[in-house]
Amino acid sequence: SQQGEEDPQALSIQEGENATMNCSYKTSINNLQWYRQNSGRGLVHLILIRSNEREKHSGRLRVTLDTSKKSSSLLITASRAADTASYFCAPNHGSSNTGKLIFGQGTTLQVKP
Amino acid sequence: GAVVSQHPSWVICKSGTSVKIECRSLDFQATTMFWYRQFPKQSLMLMATSNEGSKATYEQGVEKDKFLINHASLTLSTLTVTSAHPEDSSFYICSASRPPYSNQPQHFGDGTRLSIL
Repeated sequence: SQQGEEDPQALSIQEGENATMNCSYKTSINNLQWYRQNSGRGLVHLILIRSNEREKHSGRLRVTLDTSKKSSSLLITASRAADTASYFCAPNHGSSNTGKLIFGQGTTLQVKP
Repeated sequence: GAVVSQHPSWVICKSGTSVKIECRSLDFQATTMFWYRQFPKQSLMLMATSNEGSKATYEQGVEKDKFLINHASLTLSTLTVTSAHPEDSSFYICSASRPPYSNQPQHFGDGTRLSIL
């Protein structure tokens, strides 16, 4: 399977707490991408981490990648109610020349004010 | 960041009607675009890869005669749902990509909610 598997499926936290979401995949990658989807909207790209990188930051987001375990995590620090959304990881296996991505079920994050 | 515009955002029509959805890349040349559909509380399902100047590549199980894709320019891809029926009601989302594909994210439109009566 080319898709990533996110865990947990659902996560509910209080505003100000940190949220951690995990992603596992099965075959080798060129990079792994994280996206956010607010209800009824398209996806927004958050972070792309290349296979030779171990950690990447963007504002309150931190992504780690462990290629030996074929896993990645997304940490959102000091969460806000506006972070409520579904989060998807997408492994890019580089098997095609189009950048095709297959999405898993995602993690639904609810941040309570 | 890159901007992808999708139109219309919402459409309701009668069964049997054909509906066209447009996906435009506003600030970069998108040689490749993707079309997804999403049912409530489910993930995105890739329908097809749209290639500028050539035929689209459909995923297994997607009817190419039902979902017509045209990618006539580097900034526009269209999806036409032909003879739509209530089971075609869904949220359709497009995205655009550019080379080098191995290390570029996809940029998504805001989706089109299609309701067939």
